[in-house]
Amino acid sequence: DTAVSQTPKYLVTQMGNDKSIKCEQNLGHDTMYWYKQDSKKFLKIMFSYNNKELIINETVPNRFSPKSPDKAHLNLHINSLELGDSAVYFCASSQPRTGTSGNTIYFGEGSWLTVV
Amino acid sequence: GENVEQHPSTLSVQEGDSAVIKCTYSDSASNYFPWYKQELGKRPQLIIDIRSNVGEKKDQRIAVTLNKTAKHFSLHITETQPEDSAVYFCAANFGNEKLTFGTGTRLTIIP
Repeated sequence: DTAVSQTPKYLVTQMGNDKSIKCEQNLGHDTMYWYKQDSKKFLKIMFSYNNKELIINETVPNRFSPKSPDKAHLNLHINSLELGDSAVYFCASSQPRTGTSGNTIYFGEGSWLTVV
Repeated sequence: GENVEQHPSTLSVQEGDSAVIKCTYSDSASNYFPWYKQELGKRPQLIIDIRSNVGEKKDQRIAVTLNKTAKHFSLHITETQPEDSAVYFCAANFGNEKLTFGTGTRLTIIP
């Protein structure tokens, strides 16, 4: 029944490794996002896809590569992990409405990434 | 630039009293202003939102006010309860699909 689900929930890995976080939404939304929440709790947008197409790409190292095989899935792959990548990564989705800007974003439960 | 400032960063309130959190935004074109509550270890969840065509919206103990001229909006929680303790985030839209969040307010309700 979970609307936005992401796996894994917890991930501990060594510096230099490559890891992926998967996200799926069953809300039928067209837009999906990745947000990063650091230790100070700041929520920063990383990427946004609309119907499999990249529409927002913030200043994120190109070690981070999102992939959207279909509009219900948005995965995040991270190469050569660094200590500073440790954070909570939230997947989210929303549904654009014709004639209305600004739409409610629904978050997944988060993936706690710790790089050691 | 796309900026949302939020104050205070921490707030302690006696149970039963009111709490107010304020945000300002930079883009006069922003027209959607949601508030999210994040409990410890959980996801942010929408608690109330307001669009620019109204100045105030209320839902039980929670209300949001918007001043478009001054580009600021506020969250008001009345008759606070222990379960209101959480981190609260304001946000504003920049362009249709981009929400920028404030830096968060950690609200603690003192029993």
